[in-house]
Amino acid sequence: NAGVTQTPKFQVLKTGQSMTLQCAQDMNHEYMSWYRQDPGMGLRLIHYSVGAGITDQGEVPNGYNVSRSTTEDFPLRLLSAAPSQTSVYFCASRMDVETEAFFGQGTRLTVV
Amino acid sequence: AQSVTQLGSHVSVSEGALVLLRCNYSSSVPPYLFWYVQYPNQGLQLLLKYTTGATLVKGINGFEAEFKKSETSFHLTKPSAHMSDAAEYFCAVRAGTYKYIFGTGTRLKVLA
Repeated sequence: NAGVTQTPKFQVLKTGQSMTLQCAQDMNHEYMSWYRQDPGMGLRLIHYSVGAGITDQGEVPNGYNVSRSTTEDFPLRLLSAAPSQTSVYFCASRMDVETEAFFGQGTRLTVV
Repeated sequence: AQSVTQLGSHVSVSEGALVLLRCNYSSSVPPYLFWYVQYPNQGLQLLLKYTTGATLVKGINGFEAEFKKSETSFHLTKPSAHMSDAAEYFCAVRAGTYKYIFGTGTRLKVLA
């Protein structure tokens, strides 16, 4: 059972470039989320989804887009990368609102 | 607004000593509370959770936490620290019907 898989693990982008961070889960979880982790700031919620076709904004959504066309996948798009988006990104999924979140291994993104 | 406060970004304890990591929250919905642990270069793993029922919850690796509604707290404790407990610990609280927010984390150092 793979759980939550994030790709790539590492990425370097130039300012202004776009890219998609991939997240896939094989646990048939309805709820998926994207967080960014920065030193001293913990994990901050970017976007989340409660099922295919349903997404909503978290605490820090600016500069990021998401879509959820299938239960399994929840990609995060950076439209025009900025150095402020240098961070470690985590995708998480959960079965329902009372259960634990399962996290991917993270994507370390550097924007130069 | 919903929030999570973890007091102390760094905590050091001697091996065998009591571990106490503090978490205070505010939430406008019935609080579901979680503690996660993160080892270097890894994702987060669940330690324990409180949703309903018994306010003293036990988790993995000898950790436990007590939900105190009157104090809006969910502090994490372990009677005797082990070197392998050195990691970063995050408290999370339900911040809406479907979303969770995290504290800024507490890095635990265990001294030999």
